[in-house]
Formats: sequence, structure tokens, C-alpha cells
Amino acid sequence: AQKITQTQPGMFVQEKEAVTLDCTYDTSDQSYGLFWYKQPSSGEMIFLIYQGSYDEQNATEGRYSLNFQKARKSANLVISASQLGDSAMYFCAMREGYNQGGKLIFGQGTELSVKP
Amino acid sequence: GAGVSQSPSNKVTEKGKDVELRCDPISGHTALYWYRQSLGQGLEFLIYFQGNSAPDKSGLPSDRFSAERTGGSVSTLTIQRTQQEDSAVYLCASSLLGGDSYNEQFFGPGTRLTVL
Repeated sequence: AQKITQTQPGMFVQEKEAVTLDCTYDTSDQSYGLFWYKQPSSGEMIFLIYQGSYDEQNATEGRYSLNFQKARKSANLVISASQLGDSAMYFCAMREGYNQGGKLIFGQGTELSVKP
Repeated sequence: GAGVSQSPSNKVTEKGKDVELRCDPISGHTALYWYRQSLGQGLEFLIYFQGNSAPDKSGLPSDRFSAERTGGSVSTLTIQRTQQEDSAVYLCASSLLGGDSYNEQFFGPGTRLTVL
């Protein structure tokens, strides 16, 4: 069963506008972590933001925020004021609970294109 | 540099040959992960090291794949008798701690393996 689902293979956004990238997850663990990574065309994986399952407030890092809706098992990434350099693949990932070694389970990714 | 490094950056090999991929994690990081990124399968976890031990090898796709880590530092992923389906980008990541603690995983630039 798919544990991380990203339903948007590709997205377009106008420069300076906000965009939301969807991510839903499936786990029976109470303790887990959710991550977003950015992968530009150069191939490097860049960590953007983290949300722990027990965190009550939504995580924010600069222009990135994570809209965490635990009951709906969603962890959408919001990018405000999009920039041309935001064009990249974005991956949602989950680390499941204790004794799982910290390995990440990734979604299929969303390719974001920012238009000038 | 201070980041995770991988070598070679590109590797072209013939079907049936053995290959070795190397990862140098960030100094002091005790946890090391190998992932594989391919068009058909997305990003998949392969193996996790805590120190020199590999408590989770669940992602290794077959017994042709093996990995070791020495001195709590460098890791080598070996693929024996390569097949065309092994063609992918192999990514290494390290984090300060593993297990159930939150720690960002820092990724290397990857090794692109092409099996002819």
C-alpha cells in the first residue's frame, strides 16, 4: 500500500504567487515525522521542512510552511511568494515511529514550474 | 567540503559486471542511509547503518546487493552481476543520529549508474 501519496505529478505557478503541494500519508504509528525535500535539476536533495506527529503547531521555515492536518493524514507544503528558483521536484517523505531506523519513505514527487 | 560526498558521480558498466559505489558521510554523523532513485520506482530506501552495523537491510532488492561501513564513516554499496534494471541514481544520506530521533538527513549528490 502506498504510504505517501502525492497526487499532483506537475504544477504550475506564477512568480510571486503562493502554491500548495499536496501530500497524504498512511501510518498506524502514533509517532512519526514528515519531511519535504526539494530536488532541482542538478539532482541534489535539499531539506526544506519537518513536522513531527506530536507538534501542535504547523512548521514554518521562511517561505515554506507545512499545513499539517493530522486527522486527515495530510501534510501539504505551502510555498509563499514563489520564485523562479523554486522550479524543481518536491518530495514528501515520512519517517515512521520508534525502532524504524529513521529511514524515509518518499512519495512520487511533484514537479513545480514557476512562470515569470 | 563539509557535505556528503559520493563517488563516482557517473558509472557506466556492462551487464554482468560488479560495481562499487562509495559514500563519505558528514564527519561525526553516526547514521548512514542508501537510497535508489529510478524513473519507475521513485525514491526507495535500501539500507541503514548505525555506526558500522546495519540494523535495517530491508530495502536491498536482491542478494546481489550488499553494503558495508567501516570506521563508522565511509560506506560502500556493491552490486554484483549488474542487470539493466539496476540502472538508477544511488543516493547516500547521513544524519547525526539515527533510530527514532529526529535528525535531518543530508544527501549526497548521488551516483548515476547505467548498466548497458
